[in-house]
Amino acid sequence: KNEVEQSPQNLTAQEGEFITINCSYSVGISALHWLQQHPGGGIVSLFMLSSGKKKHGRLIATINIQEKHSSLHITASHPRDSAVYICAAEAYGGSQGNLIFGKGTKLSVKP
Amino acid sequence: KAGVTQTPRYLIKTRGQQVTLSCSPISGHRSVSWYQQTPGQGLQFLFEYFSETQRNKGNFPGRFSGRQFSNSRSEMNVSTLELGDSALYLCASSFGPGDTIYFGEGSWLTVV
Repeated sequence: KNEVEQSPQNLTAQEGEFITINCSYSVGISALHWLQQHPGGGIVSLFMLSSGKKKHGRLIATINIQEKHSSLHITASHPRDSAVYICAAEAYGGSQGNLIFGKGTKLSVKP
Repeated sequence: KAGVTQTPRYLIKTRGQQVTLSCSPISGHRSVSWYQQTPGQGLQFLFEYFSETQRNKGNFPGRFSGRQFSNSRSEMNVSTLELGDSALYLCASSFGPGDTIYFGEGSWLTVV
């Protein structure tokens, strides 16, 4: 069993829909990262959170430390949100080298 | 402010050759890490450097090596290339542990 599990693997939505991507982890963490990867490879860090909730524009990330679960929500989805979303657990130590990645969720938003 | 720069962006090598990839972090960032991404394994950690010292190393064979220079620029080297080394190699930088991580666009390596 992977230490970081994401669901769903693939997600197709209509423009305007509310989207939720889930991430469960089994290791002790100092932070949980949500990343966005567009075709072509480059990765953008969306959120780094260790507790509670963060919001940036139409994106919201939440984490429940006790349940070892995090969610990424996209409100009013748009075709430009189409990308692969990856969660990564940063194991204790606060080091980039301790990142354990999920397999990613491929999101496609149709106009 | 310039982002993380990786060179070359694309390269094709033959089995048995070696390759060196370069990463220039964001100015002021002292922490640099490298990751390999393949369709089968996803993203996997290779190395992490902080102030020229290797802090962590992932579970990769000794053919994979890296270093960091005094200006924080980093290189990784893969010797005796195998077909399975074909992947996207990503570099990321941050000010230090616990800080937001910034990724480069990656270097696409194809081994034939």
